[in-house]
Amino acid sequence: AQTVTQSQPEMSVQEAETVTLSCTYDTSESDYYLFWYKQPPSRQMILVIRQEAYKQQNATENRFSVNFQKAAKSFSLKISDSQLGDAAMYFCAYRSPEKLVFGKGTKLTVNP
Amino acid sequence: DGGITQSPKYLFRKEGQNVTLSCEQNLNHDAMYWYRQDPGQGLRLIYYSQIVNDFQKGDIAEGYSVSREKKESFPLTVTSAQKNPTAFYLCATAGTGGVYGYTFGSGTRLTVV
Repeated sequence: AQTVTQSQPEMSVQEAETVTLSCTYDTSESDYYLFWYKQPPSRQMILVIRQEAYKQQNATENRFSVNFQKAAKSFSLKISDSQLGDAAMYFCAYRSPEKLVFGKGTKLTVNP
Repeated sequence: DGGITQSPKYLFRKEGQNVTLSCEQNLNHDAMYWYRQDPGQGLRLIYYSQIVNDFQKGDIAEGYSVSREKKESFPLTVTSAQKNPTAFYLCATAGTGGVYGYTFGSGTRLTVV
Protein backbone atom coordinates (compact mmCIF):
# COMPACT_ATOMS: atom_id res chain seq x y z
CA ALA A 1 0.00 0.00 0.00
CA GLN A 2 1.15 3.49 -0.76
CA THR A 3 2.19 5.63 2.19
CA VAL A 4 3.00 9.32 2.50
CA THR A 5 5.24 10.69 5.23
CA GLN A 6 5.59 14.30 6.31
CA SER A 7 8.35 14.38 8.89
CA GLN A 8 7.82 17.97 10.09
CA PRO A 9 4.67 18.34 12.21
CA GLU A 10 5.30 22.08 12.54
CA MET A 11 7.40 24.69 10.75
CA SER A 12 7.75 28.44 11.06
CA VAL A 13 9.05 31.12 8.72
CA GLN A 14 9.53 34.86 8.78
CA GLU A 15 7.40 36.91 6.44
CA ALA A 16 9.13 37.37 3.04
CA GLU A 17 11.50 34.45 3.69
CA THR A 18 11.55 31.02 2.02
CA VAL A 19 10.52 27.75 3.63
CA THR A 20 10.62 24.14 2.42
CA LEU A 21 8.20 21.46 3.57
CA SER A 22 9.27 17.83 3.22
CA CYS A 23 7.35 14.83 1.93
CA THR A 24 8.38 11.30 1.09
CA TYR A 25 6.22 8.51 -0.27
CA ASP A 26 6.38 4.83 -0.94
CA THR A 27 5.09 3.21 -4.12
CA SER A 28 5.96 0.51 -6.61
CA GLU A 29 4.26 2.29 -9.48
CA SER A 30 6.19 4.16 -12.13
CA ASP A 31 3.48 6.54 -13.27
CA TYR A 32 1.56 8.53 -10.69
CA TYR A 33 0.58 12.00 -9.51
CA LEU A 34 1.53 13.98 -6.43
CA PHE A 35 -0.16 16.98 -4.88
CA TRP A 36 0.22 19.57 -2.16
CA TYR A 37 -2.93 20.84 -0.49
CA LYS A 38 -3.29 23.83 1.83
CA GLN A 39 -5.84 23.91 4.66
CA PRO A 40 -6.16 27.37 6.24
CA PRO A 41 -8.07 27.96 9.50
CA SER A 42 -11.33 27.90 7.52
CA ARG A 43 -10.53 24.18 6.96
CA GLN A 44 -11.26 24.42 3.25
CA MET A 45 -8.85 22.17 1.32
CA ILE A 46 -7.15 24.09 -1.47
CA LEU A 47 -5.00 22.50 -4.17
CA VAL A 48 -1.63 24.26 -4.26
CA ILE A 49 0.38 22.36 -6.83
CA ARG A 50 0.43 19.15 -8.85
CA GLN A 51 3.27 17.02 -10.21
CA GLU A 52 3.11 14.27 -12.80
CA ALA A 53 5.71 11.60 -12.08
CA TYR A 54 6.64 11.06 -15.70
CA LYS A 55 7.60 14.73 -16.06
CA GLN A 56 11.13 15.46 -14.89
CA GLN A 57 10.51 19.20 -14.75
CA ASN A 58 9.51 20.46 -11.32
CA ALA A 59 6.08 22.08 -11.14
CA THR A 60 5.79 25.77 -10.28
CA GLU A 61 2.78 27.91 -9.38
CA ASN A 62 3.72 31.51 -8.66
CA ARG A 63 5.53 31.51 -5.27
CA PHE A 64 5.08 27.76 -4.84
CA SER A 65 7.43 25.20 -6.39
CA VAL A 66 8.34 21.59 -5.80
CA ASN A 67 11.54 19.61 -5.73
CA PHE A 68 10.56 16.23 -7.13
CA GLN A 69 13.17 13.51 -6.75
CA LYS A 70 11.60 10.38 -8.24
CA ALA A 71 14.41 7.97 -7.39
CA ALA A 72 14.43 9.14 -3.79
CA LYS A 73 10.61 9.25 -3.69
CA SER A 74 10.76 12.77 -2.34
CA PHE A 75 8.38 15.64 -3.09
CA SER A 76 9.15 18.80 -1.14
CA LEU A 77 7.26 22.10 -1.38
CA LYS A 78 9.10 25.41 -1.43
CA ILE A 79 7.24 28.60 -0.58
CA SER A 80 9.09 31.76 -1.58
CA ASP A 81 8.42 35.27 -0.26
CA SER A 82 6.19 33.87 2.48
CA GLN A 83 3.08 35.85 3.29
CA LEU A 84 0.88 35.91 6.37
CA GLY A 85 -1.87 34.26 4.31
CA ASP A 86 0.35 31.22 3.75
CA ALA A 87 -0.15 30.18 7.38
CA ALA A 88 -2.02 26.88 7.22
CA MET A 89 -1.77 23.12 7.42
CA TYR A 90 -0.10 21.67 4.34
CA PHE A 91 -0.79 18.14 3.21
CA CYS A 92 1.18 16.10 0.72
CA ALA A 93 -0.89 13.56 -1.23
CA TYR A 94 -0.24 10.65 -3.57
CA ARG A 95 -2.82 9.56 -6.12
CA SER A 96 -3.36 5.84 -6.43
CA PRO A 97 -5.90 4.63 -9.03
CA GLU A 98 -8.66 4.49 -6.42
CA LYS A 99 -7.89 7.26 -3.96
CA LEU A 100 -5.71 10.07 -2.69
CA VAL A 101 -3.44 9.05 0.17
CA PHE A 102 -2.48 11.90 2.48
CA GLY A 103 0.38 12.56 4.83
CA LYS A 104 -0.37 13.73 8.35
CA GLY A 105 0.36 17.34 7.52
CA THR A 106 2.73 20.15 8.45
CA LYS A 107 1.47 23.19 10.31
CA LEU A 108 3.13 26.31 8.90
CA THR A 109 3.31 29.48 10.97
CA VAL A 110 4.32 32.75 9.33
CA ASN A 111 5.81 35.33 11.68
CA PRO A 112 5.47 39.05 10.85
CA ASP B 1 -21.06 28.14 -9.79
CA GLY B 2 -20.05 24.50 -9.74
CA GLY B 3 -19.07 23.07 -6.42
CA ILE B 4 -19.66 20.74 -3.52
CA THR B 5 -22.14 21.44 -0.75
CA GLN B 6 -21.77 19.75 2.59
CA SER B 7 -24.44 20.21 5.21
CA PRO B 8 -24.74 20.95 7.97
CA LYS B 9 -21.52 22.75 8.87
CA TYR B 10 -21.84 21.75 12.55
CA LEU B 11 -23.74 18.75 13.88
CA PHE B 12 -24.34 17.65 17.45
CA ARG B 13 -25.74 14.24 18.31
CA LYS B 14 -26.22 12.15 21.39
CA GLU B 15 -24.19 9.00 21.79
CA GLY B 16 -25.93 5.96 20.30
CA GLN B 17 -27.81 7.87 17.61
CA ASN B 18 -27.23 7.46 13.90
CA VAL B 19 -26.59 10.64 11.94
CA THR B 20 -26.40 11.35 8.20
CA LEU B 21 -24.06 13.88 6.64
CA SER B 22 -25.03 15.33 3.29
CA CYS B 23 -22.76 15.84 0.27
CA GLU B 24 -24.11 17.22 -3.01
CA GLN B 25 -22.11 18.17 -6.10
CA ASN B 26 -22.88 19.87 -9.41
CA LEU B 27 -19.46 19.36 -10.98
CA ASN B 28 -20.64 16.33 -12.96
CA HIS B 29 -17.81 14.30 -11.45
CA ASP B 30 -18.19 10.53 -11.44
CA ALA B 31 -16.14 9.80 -8.32
CA MET B 32 -17.01 10.88 -4.79
CA TYR B 33 -15.18 10.32 -1.51
CA TRP B 34 -15.60 10.68 2.24
CA TYR B 35 -12.59 11.47 4.41
CA ARG B 36 -12.31 11.82 8.15
CA GLN B 37 -9.87 14.30 9.69
CA ASP B 38 -8.60 14.08 13.26
CA PRO B 39 -5.86 16.23 14.80
CA GLY B 40 -2.44 14.89 13.87
CA GLN B 41 -3.89 12.14 11.66
CA GLY B 42 -4.20 13.75 8.28
CA LEU B 43 -7.14 12.68 6.11
CA ARG B 44 -8.26 9.08 6.19
CA LEU B 45 -10.57 7.55 3.59
CA ILE B 46 -13.89 6.17 4.81
CA TYR B 47 -15.77 5.24 1.62
CA TYR B 48 -15.61 6.06 -2.06
CA SER B 49 -17.79 5.66 -5.11
CA GLN B 50 -16.63 5.77 -8.70
CA ILE B 51 -20.04 5.27 -10.28
CA VAL B 52 -23.71 5.45 -9.34
CA ASN B 53 -25.04 2.44 -7.39
CA ASP B 54 -21.53 1.26 -6.53
CA PHE B 55 -19.18 2.09 -3.65
CA GLN B 56 -16.16 0.62 -1.88
CA LYS B 57 -14.82 0.66 1.65
CA GLY B 58 -11.84 2.82 2.38
CA ASP B 59 -9.32 2.43 5.17
CA ILE B 60 -11.63 3.16 8.12
CA ALA B 61 -15.13 2.08 7.00
CA GLU B 62 -16.21 0.35 10.22
CA GLY B 63 -19.20 2.10 11.79
CA TYR B 64 -20.09 4.02 8.64
CA SER B 65 -22.43 3.44 5.70
CA VAL B 66 -23.05 5.23 2.39
CA SER B 67 -25.33 5.17 -0.62
CA ARG B 68 -24.94 6.46 -4.17
CA GLU B 69 -28.37 6.53 -5.78
CA LYS B 70 -27.68 9.68 -7.79
CA LYS B 71 -24.53 11.00 -9.42
CA GLU B 72 -24.89 14.26 -7.54
CA SER B 73 -25.29 12.85 -4.02
CA PHE B 74 -23.19 10.71 -1.69
CA PRO B 75 -24.56 10.81 1.88
CA LEU B 76 -22.58 9.34 4.78
CA THR B 77 -24.29 7.77 7.79
CA VAL B 78 -22.35 7.59 11.02
CA THR B 79 -23.85 4.71 12.97
CA SER B 80 -23.87 3.95 16.67
CA ALA B 81 -21.24 1.27 15.94
CA GLN B 82 -18.62 3.95 15.27
CA LYS B 83 -16.55 4.09 18.47
CA ASN B 84 -15.21 7.64 18.17
CA PRO B 85 -17.45 9.57 15.78
CA THR B 86 -16.46 13.07 16.86
CA ALA B 87 -14.36 14.41 13.98
CA PHE B 88 -14.27 16.69 10.96
CA TYR B 89 -15.70 15.04 7.83
CA LEU B 90 -14.76 16.07 4.31
CA CYS B 91 -16.48 15.11 1.09
CA ALA B 92 -14.54 15.26 -2.18
CA THR B 93 -15.12 14.63 -5.86
CA ALA B 94 -12.87 13.82 -8.78
CA GLY B 95 -13.20 13.93 -12.53
CA THR B 96 -10.84 12.41 -15.11
CA GLY B 97 -9.71 9.78 -12.62
CA GLY B 98 -8.45 12.34 -10.15
CA VAL B 99 -5.29 13.13 -12.10
CA TYR B 100 -5.92 16.82 -11.55
CA GLY B 101 -6.61 16.35 -7.87
CA TYR B 102 -9.77 16.22 -5.85
CA THR B 103 -12.22 19.04 -5.16
CA PHE B 104 -13.30 19.27 -1.54
CA GLY B 105 -16.41 20.51 0.21
CA SER B 106 -16.18 22.81 3.22
CA GLY B 107 -16.67 19.98 5.70
CA THR B 108 -18.96 19.00 8.57
CA ARG B 109 -17.84 19.08 12.18
CA LEU B 110 -19.63 16.27 14.04
CA THR B 111 -19.66 16.29 17.83
CA VAL B 112 -21.15 13.41 19.73
CA VAL B 113 -22.00 14.05 23.37
